[in-house]
Amino acid sequence: AQSVTQLDSHVSVSEGTPVLLRCNYSSSYSPSLFWYVQHPNKGLQLLLKYTSAATLVKGINGFEAEFKKSETSFHLTKPSAHMSDAAEYFCVVSEGNTGNQFYFGTGTSLTVIP
Amino acid sequence: ETGVTQSPTHLIKTRGQQVTLRCSSQSGHNTVSWYQQALGQGPQFIFQYYREEENGRGNFPPRFSGLQFPNYSSELNVNALELDDSALYLCASSFRLMWPQHFGDGTRLSIL
Repeated sequence: AQSVTQLDSHVSVSEGTPVLLRCNYSSSYSPSLFWYVQHPNKGLQLLLKYTSAATLVKGINGFEAEFKKSETSFHLTKPSAHMSDAAEYFCVVSEGNTGNQFYFGTGTSLTVIP
Repeated sequence: ETGVTQSPTHLIKTRGQQVTLRCSSQSGHNTVSWYQQALGQGPQFIFQYYREEENGRGNFPPRFSGLQFPNYSSELNVNALELDDSALYLCASSFRLMWPQHFGDGTRLSIL
């Protein structure tokens, strides 16, 4: 069975400082992992995806994530936070490269302080 | 490239009523999934349609039903609405059954 744990429900950083959003997963299969961002009253936008290729994945808007199988982690990072990064972030796991279910974490709310 | 569009954006209903939500998938996508996102929670999978057939269902009662049409657009129908059905309903489309899924902006359903 798949599940996702986002270790922080809320993260607050100052503009220009690094961002770290933590995600641990469990999966019975080779997982596909994703990070999505959701701005208020909006749908979800894909930031990046891991599907068994390179373990360091680069996404949009300067975000990247590293798949660490030994730690069952897929943490999201960004070197320098921007005000526009303030949003809700979801870590998502699915079975392999196909399948009919996405398993969402409970989300991490990122606040960026000017 | 046209993205995923959902209608209506907002809807207010009362308990016991029925509602239909609509979704147009992204161009070239033939798989549609529906999710319920309660306030402050992550989305929960309701069901998925692939080439007009249901291709999996989450832990939702039968009063949640759906359709997919030949043009791959989709409907979510909910009967006998309950207060707990108040949520943002998200539609996502993808090519075949491959990830990732692309999401619409959702329909905000409020039950009074």
